[in-house]
Amino acid sequence: EPEVTQTPSHQVTQMGQEVILRCVPISNHLYFYWYRQILGQKVEFLVSFYNNEISEKSEIFDDQFSVERPDGSNFTLKIRSTKLEDSAMYFCASRSGTPYQPQHFGDGTRLSIL
Amino acid sequence: QKEVEQNSGPLSVPEGAIASLNCTYSDRVSQSFFWYRQYSGKSPELIMSIYSNGDKEDGRFTAQLNKASQYVSLLIRDSQPSDSATYLCAGITSGTYKYIFGTGTRLKVLA
Repeated sequence: EPEVTQTPSHQVTQMGQEVILRCVPISNHLYFYWYRQILGQKVEFLVSFYNNEISEKSEIFDDQFSVERPDGSNFTLKIRSTKLEDSAMYFCASRSGTPYQPQHFGDGTRLSIL
Repeated sequence: QKEVEQNSGPLSVPEGAIASLNCTYSDRVSQSFFWYRQYSGKSPELIMSIYSNGDKEDGRFTAQLNKASQYVSLLIRDSQPSDSATYLCAGITSGTYKYIFGTGTRLKVLA
């Protein structure tokens, strides 16, 4: 069964450094998402992406965040200058173009900021 | 009212019992609903989708949708300790197709 893949599974970065989290969505999916989950807390929506542009973003998704689909397969989340509070699990999800279909999640990247 | 609301729990049930997880939603949320299971430290995993009023069964899981009362529930029959996880309810808003997740209900199945 096709799945969403995320790399790396764990990323350790010094505060202030840039980090790029990578995702390969399911191949025929058209909508892509990033979520964040701080340890012990709920899953929080960051951004949705469709047709090569951001369709929606949350208050969390401020100027230090950006997303890109650099080629036909990858979908990336960049955090420009990481802060301690960016430490969390980051999940990528995708869904097909048919309305009302579920999102499918990748296994996540654990980001640890030192 | 939150758009998708769940009791955070924990909900504790003995092994072999039926676990009943509930979710209510606001007028903004549309007719598609999803249940995800999330084990600690893992990603949400889709376990059920329901689109129309009534019940939908898949193995030990039954999803129930009641549009008039604006709730969706998940029943887990013959609960096992391996069912212990957080269960997330999600819906889609009408028109904008935005996904709204509930905060999740933590289920503990006691052996």
